[in-house]
Amino acid sequence: DQQVKQNSPSLSVQEGRISILNCDYTNSMFDYFLWYKKYPAEGPTFLISISSIKDKNEDGRFTVFLNKSAKHLSLHIVPSQPGDSAVYFCAASEWSSGDKLTFGTGTRLAVRP
Amino acid sequence: NAGVTQTPKFRILKIGQSMTLQCTQDMNHNYMYWYRQDPGMGLKLIYYSVGAGITDKGEVPNGYNVSRSTTEDFPLRLELAAPSQTSVYFCASSYTATGGSYEQYFGPGTRLTVT
Repeated sequence: DQQVKQNSPSLSVQEGRISILNCDYTNSMFDYFLWYKKYPAEGPTFLISISSIKDKNEDGRFTVFLNKSAKHLSLHIVPSQPGDSAVYFCAASEWSSGDKLTFGTGTRLAVRP
Repeated sequence: NAGVTQTPKFRILKIGQSMTLQCTQDMNHNYMYWYRQDPGMGLKLIYYSVGAGITDKGEVPNGYNVSRSTTEDFPLRLELAAPSQTSVYFCASSYTATGGSYEQYFGPGTRLTVT
C-alpha cells in the first residue's frame, strides 16, 4: 500500500517558468512533510519541509504548499533553472514513529534551457 | 565534515555470498537508517537505529542484519545474497530531539548487483 504517491513520474519545464511537483498521501497521521532532491549517482539531499500546522513554507525559489483536507502537497520552483533538473522525492512522517520517513516514488524534473 | 560516507560504491555478488555495506557519519547524529531504492521506486526503510546498541526493523528487513556499536558506524549485513537484493542502498543519519525537523542526511549510495 503506497501511503505517499507521486503520480507524475516526469515533468518537463522551460527555464524561467514555474515547476509544480505534486504529492498525495493517504495516512492522516502524517504530520511532517519533506521534499528531497536527487541527482544521478548521489544520495538524496534535503530541500524543504513543512509541518502540518502550516499550509505554506518558502525558502528562496522553493515553496511547499500543504492542503491537509485534500491530503495533498505541492512543491513550486520559481523560476526554474537547468540545475534544478533532478528527481524530486516527497516524504512524510508521523510524530509517533519518530524520524521514520515514508517516501514517494519520485518525479523526474527536466528544465529545458 | 565528510557527512555520511558509504563503502563500497559498487559491488557484484554471486547468489549465496555475503557482504557488509559500511556506513559512517561524523555529525554526531543519534539516528541512523538504511534504505534501498529499486528502479522507479521510492526509498524503502530496511533498518534504523536510535542510538548505539539500539536497532529496529523498518519496512523491508528480511535478508538483512544490522548492528550499532558506536554512534558513528551502522553497517548493513547481507548473509545469503539473492537476486531480489539487487538495488541501490542508501545510509542516512539525523539528529533527533524533541521538536526535531526529521531532516535526514544521506550518503552517496552503494549499487549492489546479485547474479
